[in-house]
Amino acid sequence: AQSVTQLDSQVPVFEEAPVELRCNYSSSVSVYLFWYVQYPNQGLQLLLKYLSGSTLVESINGFEAEFNKSQTSFHLRKPSVHISDTAEYFCAVSESWGKLQFGAGTQVVVTP
Amino acid sequence: DAGVTQSPTHLIKTRGQQVTLRCSPKSGHDTVSWYQQALGQGPQFIFQYYEEEERQRGNFPDRFSGHQFPNYSSELNVNALLLGDSALYLCASSSGTTNGADTQYFGPGTRLTVL
Repeated sequence: AQSVTQLDSQVPVFEEAPVELRCNYSSSVSVYLFWYVQYPNQGLQLLLKYLSGSTLVESINGFEAEFNKSQTSFHLRKPSVHISDTAEYFCAVSESWGKLQFGAGTQVVVTP
Repeated sequence: DAGVTQSPTHLIKTRGQQVTLRCSPKSGHDTVSWYQQALGQGPQFIFQYYEEEERQRGNFPDRFSGHQFPNYSSELNVNALLLGDSALYLCASSSGTTNGADTQYFGPGTRLTVL
């Protein structure tokens, strides 16, 4: 069975500072990895995903995540955050059939 | 191009009642998955429908059932509501492949409150 652990429930960060959200997973087979973002009172939006190939994946809004197979991690980073990045971030894994297993989420609060 | 839509937005029910939630997938998608997101938690997979059949099911009791229509829209039914069923119910759509790599597009959710 697969599982996802997000190590931080809340991460406060100042505007223009860097942020890292940690995600570890366990699975007995190869997985696909995703980061989703949820803004208040909205559904989830895909931020980025790792399927294969380069272990570093990037999103269009400055986030990046690195797949580390030996450490079974998929941490999300952004070098400089904006107020608009305040949201909840979910790490998820999928083994097959599109069944997503989510972590508990990390709330990012960006303050000026 | 409309994304995933869900109705209603909010719903209040009492214990023991039954509820039906509806979802229309993104254009071109034929697979619909349902998730339950309790307050302060990540979404939990309920089940997935493809070609009008339940293809996969998570760890939810039989009180949770669903249906997919020929136009790929879907319904989630919950019978004998419990207080613990209060949550945000999310619908996600994707294409019909089975390798798990496809992006799932989520709707805004239906907030169900059980009193």
